[in-house]
Amino acid sequence: AQKITQTQPGMFVQEKEAVTLDCTYDTSDQSYGLFWYKQPSSGEMIFLIYQGSYDEQNATEGRYSLNFQKARKSANLVISASQLGDSAMYFCAMREGNNNAGNMLTFGGGTRLMVKP
Amino acid sequence: GAVVSQHPSRVICKSGTSVKIECRSLDFQATTMFWYRQFPKQSLMLMATSNEGSKATYEQGVEKDKFLINHASLTLSTLTVTSAHPEDSSFYICSARDFMGTTKGELFFGEGSRLTVL
Repeated sequence: AQKITQTQPGMFVQEKEAVTLDCTYDTSDQSYGLFWYKQPSSGEMIFLIYQGSYDEQNATEGRYSLNFQKARKSANLVISASQLGDSAMYFCAMREGNNNAGNMLTFGGGTRLMVKP
Repeated sequence: GAVVSQHPSRVICKSGTSVKIECRSLDFQATTMFWYRQFPKQSLMLMATSNEGSKATYEQGVEKDKFLINHASLTLSTLTVTSAHPEDSSFYICSARDFMGTTKGELFFGEGSRLTVL
């Protein structure tokens, strides 16, 4: 079974509007972390936001917020006030277990976001 | 955030040759680095975990004799694609965790290396 599922291969959003990118995950661990990365066409992976499994508050970082619904195992990314520079691939990722140096991230299939002027 | 540098960013080689990609953590020490591979329009797939001073751990289906990993110091890991073939053409990207610098555990990624095998 897929550990990270992103059901939207592509999304359009009008500039200045908000958009939600979906992510569901599957793990039996109690301790885990959820991450969102942005990958522009240049290929670099840019870390956006993190949510720990024990965090009770939804994470926020500037225009990014994470809608964490633990019971539903979802960690949707919300981008407010979209900008043209937000056009990129967005990946949801999960670290199972504690924050140890050796724990890798598993990535979802990604969502391509296109912001329309 | 922490900086990971990867070199070269692009490489074109002939079939049968070997290519070495370097991954450096510039401002932190990384006992562990991760090598991912990304095919066009696809996600990142973990190839192997590089461990400083010991053998790398390869994911199922990844040939360790094909993709040689050396993690000789706390700031450098190298991936060598041996006897490259066109099907090895891909985007290779390394990452590391600044374990001492962050409690979130995010991975910091290099710029990636796009390999084209003719």
